[in-house]
Amino acid sequence: RKEVEQDPGPFNVPEGATVAFNCTYSNSASQSFFWYRQDCRKEPKLLMSVYSSGNEDGRFTAQLNRASQYISLLIRDSKLSDSATYLCVVNTGGNKLVFGAGTILRVKS
Amino acid sequence: NAGVTQTPKFRVLKTGQSMTLLCAQDMNHEYMYWYRQDPGMGLRLIHYSVGEGTTAKGEVPDGYNVSRLKKQNFLLGLESAAPSQTSVYFCASRTRTGGANEQYFGPGTRLTVT
Repeated sequence: RKEVEQDPGPFNVPEGATVAFNCTYSNSASQSFFWYRQDCRKEPKLLMSVYSSGNEDGRFTAQLNRASQYISLLIRDSKLSDSATYLCVVNTGGNKLVFGAGTILRVKS
Repeated sequence: NAGVTQTPKFRVLKTGQSMTLLCAQDMNHEYMYWYRQDPGMGLRLIHYSVGEGTTAKGEVPDGYNVSRLKKQNFLLGLESAAPSQTSVYFCASRTRTGGANEQYFGPGTRLTVT
């Protein structure tokens, strides 16, 4: 079983739609959680950290459920520019991050 | 600040050739990482370093060596390239304090081994 698992998609949604991605992790001792965004043929960049209490940044909301060991990302009012691959990332403790394989989002006009 | 830079951006090697990928960061970060990214497999950690003069193995270290002689540089070497090492290689860095700190990535090196 992979340490971090994501639905690869692609999720094809129209502009203005709300879309949600889930991610599960296997290590219950994991300490920190993130969503990174990766555009085609570019490097990953931090989108947002994920906190136990949940956090929101504009149209993006991230949630963490430690009991069920999953993380979610909700995007409201999708824009064409949101098209990218979204990587779920977990710090299992120490110096290393574990990356999911990513979920592809395509927003269409 | 240039952030994290990688050279070269593209390279084609023949099987058995060697090469070194260079990563440089100007953010005074203690930690540096080398990943490879293959379709459908996400980023996999090759080697990492927690400080100048130290290195450690990641998830997929075989066939690679690294060195961190200076804090700002992290080199990844392929001694005898194989087609299985065709991939996109990303370098990253972050500060030591706190596991929740952002990891900054370089633009990547696209390597093809024929």
